[in-house]
Amino acid sequence: NAGVTQTPKFQVLKTGQSMTLQCAQDMNHEYMSWYRQDPGMGLRLIHYSVGAGITDQGEVPNGYNVSRSTTEDFPLRLLSAAPSQTSVYFCASSYEPDLGSPLHFGNGTRLTVT
Amino acid sequence: TQLLEQSPQFLSIQEGENLTVYCNSSSVFSSLQWYRQEPGEGPVLLVTVVTGGEVKKLKRLTFQFGDARKDSSLHITAAQPGDTGLYLCAGGGTSYGKLTFGQGTILTVHP
Repeated sequence: NAGVTQTPKFQVLKTGQSMTLQCAQDMNHEYMSWYRQDPGMGLRLIHYSVGAGITDQGEVPNGYNVSRSTTEDFPLRLLSAAPSQTSVYFCASSYEPDLGSPLHFGNGTRLTVT
Repeated sequence: TQLLEQSPQFLSIQEGENLTVYCNSSSVFSSLQWYRQEPGEGPVLLVTVVTGGEVKKLKRLTFQFGDARKDSSLHITAAQPGDTGLYLCAGGGTSYGKLTFGQGTILTVHP
C-alpha cells in the first residue's frame, strides 16, 4: 500500500535555483493538492487539481507551478527558489474532499533555500 | 480567505489529565476534519464531522461540531504519552477543493 509518495525527502537549494518536487498516488484519486507547512501557520494550500489537465491556485501560489498530465502524478515546480520558500511541503490526494473524504498525505519534503 | 482559529497553540500536560482543543471560525463549513501529525510524517485523519451539533467518539477522544457549523472541539480524556503530537482541524465545503486548516495545537503528554 504505497498511498502518496513524495520525493525527495530533503533538499537544499541556493537562491535562484530551480527544482521539482515529485508526488505520486496509487489510489486513483481525482483530487490532488500541495501544501506548505510553516511553524505556527498550519498547512497552507499552494495549488490543487480536481483531475488530469485541471489545476487551480490555492492560498499561496506565487513562486510555484504545477501540472497534472496523469491522474497519478502532480509535480510542484519552483522556478527560482527564494529563502521564503524554505518550508516542509506536503502532497495530498482525496476521493472527494468537499464531501468529507479524507486527505491522504505523503510524508513531506523538507526544503531549505540558502 | 476563511480563517480557522485553533487554540491553544501549545499544550503541555501530565498523563491522566483531560484537555480540550478548540477550532473556531466566522465561516460556515459543510464538513470539519481533525488530523493528527507525528514528526517526520504527514497528517493522518482522525475524524470527519458533517452535521451541526454532531458528536463523535473515538476511544478517549470526543469530537463535536457546533450547531452553526462554524466551530469544533476535540476533547481527550485521561491523556497518555502516545497522544503527543500536532493536532490540526480543517474545514471544507466553502470553496471546492480548498480545505482551510487551523494553525495546529502541539500537545505534549508527560509520563
